[in-house]
Amino acid sequence: DVKVTQSSRYLVKRTGEKVFLECVQDMDHENMFWYRQDPGLGLRLIYFSYDVKMKEKGDIPEGYSVSREKKERFSLILESASTNQTSMYLCASSFPDRSNYGYTFGSGTRLTVV
Amino acid sequence: GDSVTQMEGPVTLSEEAFLTINCTYTATGYPSLFWYVQYPGEGLQLLLKATKADDKGSNKGFEATYRKETTSFHLEKGSVQVSDSAVYFCALSRNTGGFKTIFGAGTRLFVKA
Repeated sequence: DVKVTQSSRYLVKRTGEKVFLECVQDMDHENMFWYRQDPGLGLRLIYFSYDVKMKEKGDIPEGYSVSREKKERFSLILESASTNQTSMYLCASSFPDRSNYGYTFGSGTRLTVV
Repeated sequence: GDSVTQMEGPVTLSEEAFLTINCTYTATGYPSLFWYVQYPGEGLQLLLKATKADDKGSNKGFEATYRKETTSFHLEKGSVQVSDSAVYFCALSRNTGGFKTIFGAGTRLFVKA
């Protein structure tokens, strides 16, 4: 069964901490994505990557960075966590030139910044 | 730019009722269309898809038909169950040149026993 695995289901961090959210996929997908999901705002794209060491800003990249050193792993980094980054974070992956296959999502990480 | 609009929720139905969740889109060209479902505390799962006009996607009793003339992709199910309670997202993705999928805001469905 193909999978996207996010390292933590729940995280509680303090304001100002550097936070790492990890995502690993086993489907050999080139594309990987980080979204945040907030009530009433739906899914908003933070960053995406279409190859190792490549990254592109999404719609709300401020306060975040990403790392893609290996094809299967895409990390989201909160440089200095703030309370307005409390959210559900979803990782997804897909093939690059077969957009009609859809995305495979992880189970999400619910991050609380206190 | 591309966009997806779906009906606001929550939608509350009794078990065995008929479900329709409306979805319309704006896009140039010929996007692929999707419905995703998110159960409580989980990530999104692909429910069904359609890749060209007049295609019907179906899965687990859910159906949606790609209507280019009305730019719509409404989700339907003939008889809902309590286990269908979830949030449903309509989405589109371009077939060429795009790395991103555009999601609707989601519609929460509650099914009462």
